[in-house]
Amino acid sequence: GENVEQHPSTLSVQEGDSAVIKCTYSDSASNYFPWYKQELGKRPQLIIDIRSNVGEKKDQRIAVTLNKTAKHFSLHITETQPEDSAVYFCAASVTGGFKTIFGAGTRLFVKA
Amino acid sequence: DTAVSQTPKYLVTQMGNDKSIKCEQNLGHDTMYWYKQDSKKFLKIMFSYNNKELIINETVPNRFSPKSPDKAHLNLHINSLELGDSAVYFCASSPSTGGRETQYFGPGTRLLVL
Repeated sequence: GENVEQHPSTLSVQEGDSAVIKCTYSDSASNYFPWYKQELGKRPQLIIDIRSNVGEKKDQRIAVTLNKTAKHFSLHITETQPEDSAVYFCAASVTGGFKTIFGAGTRLFVKA
Repeated sequence: DTAVSQTPKYLVTQMGNDKSIKCEQNLGHDTMYWYKQDSKKFLKIMFSYNNKELIINETVPNRFSPKSPDKAHLNLHINSLELGDSAVYFCASSPSTGGRETQYFGPGTRLLVL
């Protein structure tokens, strides 16, 4: 069945450093790849997304890259800040479908 | 102004009891979902509903029965609660016009079965 693998499960960085989270998906039909941030005790919220016709997208300090051939996509956070500490989920879905498959999550700690 | 709301926020109950969680969205979305998030934070889809009709049931035990009285509401009833049902349950919705891509999550219901 469909599967999204996410690594690492935990990531600890120093404030100001960069953080990279990587995901791999199995369903070739997937064409939409969102990233959600979940702060402690809160709901997951979309922070950035990328579609299969684009290789890279950037929004201020966060960027996503997609390698459709390899079925890999990644989240890059630059100049990390303590408020970036949260659990980050990658996900994959097919536009118009009824199911989003989430990765297992990466717990990011940014040390001040 | 709350977009997706759930009640209750916390639910503590004994094994074997029956409980319900309610969800409402005021975003005008056609599609609603229930997700289960376990203690390891894994977020797994349980059900998808579109215009009040069940579309996806991800091999969830039949003790879980969703019900959608209208497209703005999706409730979840759980019979004969078990210890393993303890988790955070998130309701979500997405717009058909956007290809149902982005999930808008509710605040979650923290269920603890003793």
